[in-house]
Amino acid sequence: DAGVIQSPRHEVTEMGQEVTLRCKPISGHDYLFWYRQTMMRGLELLIYFNNNVPIDDSGMPEDRFSAKMPNASFSTLKIQPSEPRDSAVYFCASSPAIRETQYFGPGTRLLVL
Amino acid sequence: QKEVEQNSGPLSVPEGAIASLNCTYSDRGSQSFFWYRQYSGKSPELIMSIYSNGDKEDGRFTAQLNKASQYVSLLIRDSQPSDSATYLCAVNSGAGSYQLTFGKGTKLSVIP
Repeated sequence: DAGVIQSPRHEVTEMGQEVTLRCKPISGHDYLFWYRQTMMRGLELLIYFNNNVPIDDSGMPEDRFSAKMPNASFSTLKIQPSEPRDSAVYFCASSPAIRETQYFGPGTRLLVL
Repeated sequence: QKEVEQNSGPLSVPEGAIASLNCTYSDRGSQSFFWYRQYSGKSPELIMSIYSNGDKEDGRFTAQLNKASQYVSLLIRDSQPSDSATYLCAVNSGAGSYQLTFGKGTKLSVIP
């Protein structure tokens, strides 16, 4: 299996622009997680899905952030409008079942100028 | 607010020594505990999980859990330069919640 796939790997944008991050989980994994990692706050869970349904979005920082999972093989995290404080590495992870190992994708490094 | 605390380091140990990494957590109801390794610029990868009090060994790695003290540790025996990375402690609070709370990590440097 190719593992969790994320795109783009790097994104540089200007404040106010819309940013869309993409994730393809490992085939057969029912759980998908979006994390954000910064030096100050560490690794934080933003939202997770089970069978394409959002279960817990309490970590989503603001209404500027939204996430969707239209099917079992694709998810997006959108930031609109983006702000410099959104600069971070965003990871997608997937898991085959609850409390099983989470497998992380390579991450998207986002820089908002 | 569930918290997971780790010393940020860096922790420096000579090659061949034992590296000891520590983690404390605030949620007494936590049931699952994980250690992830993250190389610079890479994504976290799971190296150990532990669910019961006591020790769990896997090769050069030993995870130790003490729920009464709300403490979990990772020992790395015969440390190698390739073990140099940031080690993240993660805690799951148990039934009804699948949110993993991560510590900010301890940076380990193994000196040849």
